[in-house]
Parts: sequence; structure tokens; C-alpha cells
Amino acid sequence: EVQLVESGGGLVKPGGSLRLSCAASGFNFHSYTMNWVRQAPGKGLEWVSSISSSSNHIYYANSMKGRFTISRDNAKNSLHLQMNSLRAEDTGVYYCARDGAAAGREFDFWGQGTLVTVSS
Amino acid sequence: QSVLTQPPSVSAAPGQKVTISCSASNSHMGNYFVSWYQQAPETAPKLLIYDNSKRPSGIPDRFSGSNSGTSATLDITGLQTGDEADYYCGAWDSSLSAVVFGGGTKLTVL
Repeated sequence: EVQLVESGGGLVKPGGSLRLSCAASGFNFHSYTMNWVRQAPGKGLEWVSSISSSSNHIYYANSMKGRFTISRDNAKNSLHLQMNSLRAEDTGVYYCARDGAAAGREFDFWGQGTLVTVSS
Repeated sequence: QSVLTQPPSVSAAPGQKVTISCSASNSHMGNYFVSWYQQAPETAPKLLIYDNSKRPSGIPDRFSGSNSGTSATLDITGLQTGDEADYYCGAWDSSLSAVVFGGGTKLTVL
């Protein structure tokens, strides 16, 4: 059974940093592109970043470039998101999502999410 | 402003059919392989449709998708109260090197 379990969320002050993690199990983690998707309270889904299976292709949404860094450890089946210079608008639930193997970059499995709150 | 546009809400009675549209502001819909997600309250999104019209295993055939090149649609037939949720379309935009989502559509089953 595919499982994705996020951790690392919490309350942080504006300008602060936070590191999210996603523990993967039940599939060959090293073979899949992985993503972070976030959702502000009461709002829609927003893609944050993706990283290819061997970390050689990394993409970010424009509003996260230069502040967020995605990484993975295939030996430990883990995905990470280092978030710096956090702003109030970064508040939301952050989901780890697996990229399916089809043409359209669909997200076929999602974690339960971890809540990040940026507030003074 | 989302690259993909969805109606904020749709509604229909149990047993009826509903269609949710997804259009692109950049005329790139014909280049997109659209996915659809269902998100019930306080839960993670769930993949319903990928590559415009394919269903993952376990998704009932009441859910179907299509892409005409100008807009994508999600059809849900035989509506059930359990279908009440938010529905999102999404796609990889190669010109942006980014995944884009629609703003979401809230389905109410009256």
C-alpha cells in the first residue's frame, strides 16, 4: 500500500524557516517524481515544487523560487521542503504527492498534509 | 488568477448528471493532459481522472473526462450525496514548467 506521511509543520514567525518532510513507503520511491502541493485555508490547490526521481529536474512555482528548496533522499525514501523567508501567505496545508507514470503529470497518491502557520 | 478556470459551484439532484468545465486562459488546453481531483472536506485530494479521460483503478465509471481542445470537462452521472466535494482540474504546462490547477468547483448534491 502506498503511504505518504508528511511532518514538520507548525507555527513560525514571518521571516522564519521550516523544513517539511515526507516519508514514503509501499512503492519504489527512487523511481518516481515527487511533488509538494499546498492549500491555503479555504482556498484551492497550489502546486509548489517537483523533483524528478534522480533529482536532476527540479521545478518551482514562481512565488516560491529563491525561498523554497525541494530535495529527496532515495536511500531513506524521504522527500523534503526547506522553506525560508516565510510569509503570512505561505500559511496552509502542505501535501506531498506522487507523480504518476502517465503523460500528464497527474498526482496519483497524496499524503494527509501538514499544517504550516506563519504568524507573529 | 489561475491559468485554468472552473465554475465556483455546480449543483444537481441525486441520480442526475453534472458537468464541470475547465478552460485555459492561454489557449493551451489542446496541449494539456488534464487531471481531475476530488477533495472531500478535511481530506486530501484524490485522483479521479488523468490524461484527460483515463480512470485510475477503483474509480467508478460514473466519473468520466474529456478534452475538446478548448475546454476539459468532468462528467459525473448517477449523483450520490457522497459525491459532494470540491473538484479541481490540473495539468502540466510545459511553457511554464509548472503544474497549474483550476480554482476548484464545489459540487452540491441537492
